[in-house]
Amino acid sequence: AQTVTQSQPEMSVQEAETVTLSCTYDTSESDYYLFWYKQPPSRQMILVIRQEAYKQQNATENRFSVNFQKAAKSFSLKISDSQLGDAAMYFCAYRSEWGFGNEKLTFGTGTRLTIIP
Amino acid sequence: DVKVTQSSRYLVKRTGEKVFLECVQDMDHENMFWYRQDPGLGLRLIYFSYDVKMKEKGDIPEGYSVSREKKERFSLILESASTNQTSMYLCASSLEFRTGPYPRGYGYTFGSGTRLTVV
Repeated sequence: AQTVTQSQPEMSVQEAETVTLSCTYDTSESDYYLFWYKQPPSRQMILVIRQEAYKQQNATENRFSVNFQKAAKSFSLKISDSQLGDAAMYFCAYRSEWGFGNEKLTFGTGTRLTIIP
Repeated sequence: DVKVTQSSRYLVKRTGEKVFLECVQDMDHENMFWYRQDPGLGLRLIYFSYDVKMKEKGDIPEGYSVSREKKERFSLILESASTNQTSMYLCASSLEFRTGPYPRGYGYTFGSGTRLTVV
């Protein structure tokens, strides 16, 4: 079974600075998908960014980018120019390759990000 | 936008009660999921369904059952609620389509959660 580990329960960053959230995972598969989700106090899970394992290029979405190291099984999220609205719980998630029964997401334990004004 | 609606935002139930948590999605998604969220444990999958009347156990199915009689609705049932089932429950749905050798779409949409307290 796949596992996802987020080793930083809490992080804080000064507004406008850059912060990196760590995520490692364990799998024997070669094709899979990785996600970062954000959960603000409203509890609504919001997709931040996703990465397909077969793509070597790191995904980016505006101020959010990932450092995907397939051999090291590492998938960190970098938030540039941090804003107060970035304060939330961040979850890393893994999904197996295409196939029946592989539809589920496996989540890490989350990192609570605080933005210091 | 796809919407996933959970019937209650907060619920308080007594030990031993039968509890129904309802989830409805409005965009014809094949897959639906129930997760439980606890501090320090993240989200853990209870059950999921990939079609009407079909269900698969997740990582922590004990003490729970599910029902999917219609494509848009996925219900989580606590047959006899216990205090250790006090938690946040999140429903999600996903649509998958495939072109070429790899899937090209896989949108997961979550509800806003039901915070259940069992006293």
